[in-house]
This record gives sequence, C-alpha cells and structure tokens, in this order.
Amino acid sequence: EIVMTQSPATLSVSPGERATLSCRASQSVSSNLAWYQQKPGQAPRLLIYGASTRATGIPARFSGSGSGTEFTLTISSLQSEDFAVYYCQQYNNWPAYTFGQGTKLEIK
Amino acid sequence: QLQLQESGPGLVKPSETLSLTCTVSGGSISSSSYYWGWIRQPPGKGLEWIGSIYYSGSTYYNPSLKSRVTISVDTSKNQFSLKLSSVTAADTAVYYCARHADGAASDWGQGTLVTVSS
Repeated sequence: EIVMTQSPATLSVSPGERATLSCRASQSVSSNLAWYQQKPGQAPRLLIYGASTRATGIPARFSGSGSGTEFTLTISSLQSEDFAVYYCQQYNNWPAYTFGQGTKLEIK
Repeated sequence: QLQLQESGPGLVKPSETLSLTCTVSGGSISSSSYYWGWIRQPPGKGLEWIGSIYYSGSTYYNPSLKSRVTISVDTSKNQFSLKLSSVTAADTAVYYCARHADGAASDWGQGTLVTVSS
C-alpha cells in the first residue's frame, strides 16, 4: 500500500495570505495525484488532478505542483470560503487508491 | 448536470451485510469514459477508497477490503451498488459514491451515514 503523508496537520493562515500544503508518497506515484477540498457536512470536491491540472470551475488561486513522491497545493490568496480540510490522493496504484490524512486549513 | 445519490439502511447490525445503491441522474452510467466508485469516511477521520466498477461489470476492489466487498451495476436503472459483508463497528462511516475517469473522483454523491450497531 502506498502511504500518503500530509503536512502540517493544521495550518493557520490569515485571509489574503498564501497557504502551502504538502503531501508525500511512500513511493513514486508519478503525476497521478489529486487534491480535494472538504467542508463540514459536505462531500469532497476535486480541486486538482494530474498533480497540477485544475478541475472544472476551480479558481486560478489554487495550484498544484510536484511529481514522484513530493507534492504541493498552493492557495495564492486565501478567501473565507477556502478554510476547510484538504486531502491528497494517489491513483497510481490501481485499485488500491489511498488518501492522505488531511490538512485542516484554519483562519489565523 | 450529473447527480449521484446514495440510498440504503442507515443502521446495520454487526456481522450482517451493508447494502447501498447509488442512483445516477443527468448522465449515463454506460459512458465508456468513466468508472463508478465507492469511498467511505469514518466519523471525524479520513477517506478510504473501497472499489470501483465499469459499466461492463468489471470490478476493481481495494485489496484491504476485497474479501468482503461486492460492487455491481444495473445499467437499465442507471444504478450501481455496494455490498460489504460481515460488518463491524469499524465499518461505521459516511459512504460516498463517485464518478472517476483516471482515478480522480470528479463527481460525488452527498454521502450517507451507515452505523453498525446492535
């Protein structure tokens, strides 16, 4: 099983500032990496796939980078609606897809 | 616009079989471009991929759950279903159905909480 490790567990950032979230894979997943946003009581929403491609309707302030084992999600200027939990997911090892444990992005 | 809706019992007894159905509307489950999957999330915890099915009936299960999982599809009803046998309290979770192409789930149902308790 490929273990996905996200850091930090909680990130406190002020609105308007930049947030950088990290995700590390226990072995290479190439660029088969997705990022999701989840708000309380809601299903996850796909933000990024292919490590760096924004999903339909996702604002340009969300960007993804990385390949292999190290990945980053950057939110360039935080809006109030961006405070949520973020998950990374590898889909390189079909069908044993795995998710990270999540990073909670909270208002500072 | 594609919509997915989970349905099924919210309470299942230990050792019994959990059964859920996902109804797809606004699109065809027989699309050759997509797979249809189940993902779960225990209360307050992270996400776990259970498995997926193609409209042809080909199934793909997470090895960690493979011995207890069956996913099936009914193209005539535009539905796919999940059965998880021999459940325990550890199977208590919100169960989501989702659509994915390569592996990133682009469309999700709202989720349904299933509690395993006697």
